[in-house]
Amino acid sequence: EPEVTQTPSHQVTQMGQEVILRCVPISNHLYFYWYRQILGQKVEFLVSFYNNEISEKSEIFDDQFSVERPDGSNFTLKIRSTKLEDSAMYFCASSAVAGPYNEQFFGPGTRLTVL
Amino acid sequence: GEDVEQSLFLSVREGDSSVINCTYTDSSSTYLYWYKQEPGAGLQLLTYIFSNMDMKQDQRLTVLLNKKDKHLSLRIADTQTGDSAIYFCAVPYTSGTYKYIFGTGTRLKVLA
Repeated sequence: EPEVTQTPSHQVTQMGQEVILRCVPISNHLYFYWYRQILGQKVEFLVSFYNNEISEKSEIFDDQFSVERPDGSNFTLKIRSTKLEDSAMYFCASSAVAGPYNEQFFGPGTRLTVL
Repeated sequence: GEDVEQSLFLSVREGDSSVINCTYTDSSSTYLYWYKQEPGAGLQLLTYIFSNMDMKQDQRLTVLLNKKDKHLSLRIADTQTGDSAIYFCAVPYTSGTYKYIFGTGTRLKVLA
């Protein structure tokens, strides 16, 4: 069964460093998403991406964040200069189309720890 | 904006039924989802219900939807210790692009 994969499973970084979180969406999907879950809190929407551009971003997704689809398979989230409060689990998701009749498939997540 | 609320904790004895509740504000959602998150793991789709249904049964899982009250529940029959996890209700929200709004998650603890 096709699945969304994410690497690494756990990333530890120093405050101020750049990190890149990687995702491989399901191959025929066209819409891609990042969500974040700070420990003990809700899963929050960060950004959606379609046709090589951001469709929507939340208030959390400030200038320190960027997303890219560098090739036909990867979808990345970059945090330019990490802060302590960026420590969270980051989930990638993909869907075949956007809309209420299509499910978003989630990856296993990358746990980011900023020291 | 959209808001989804759940109670934070539920503790049940093995073999009993568990009922996890969720309330939401946006009434335009056509599918509503339940996800399970085991410790240290990602989000696993458990089940979903289409908004024109009142109930959906899937083995030990029963989803009830009261659209008028905007209330969704997940019932787990014969709860097992392996059901201990956090359960998230997820409601699609179509303001802007299509995205999920998650509840706070309910931590289910099953006592042997």
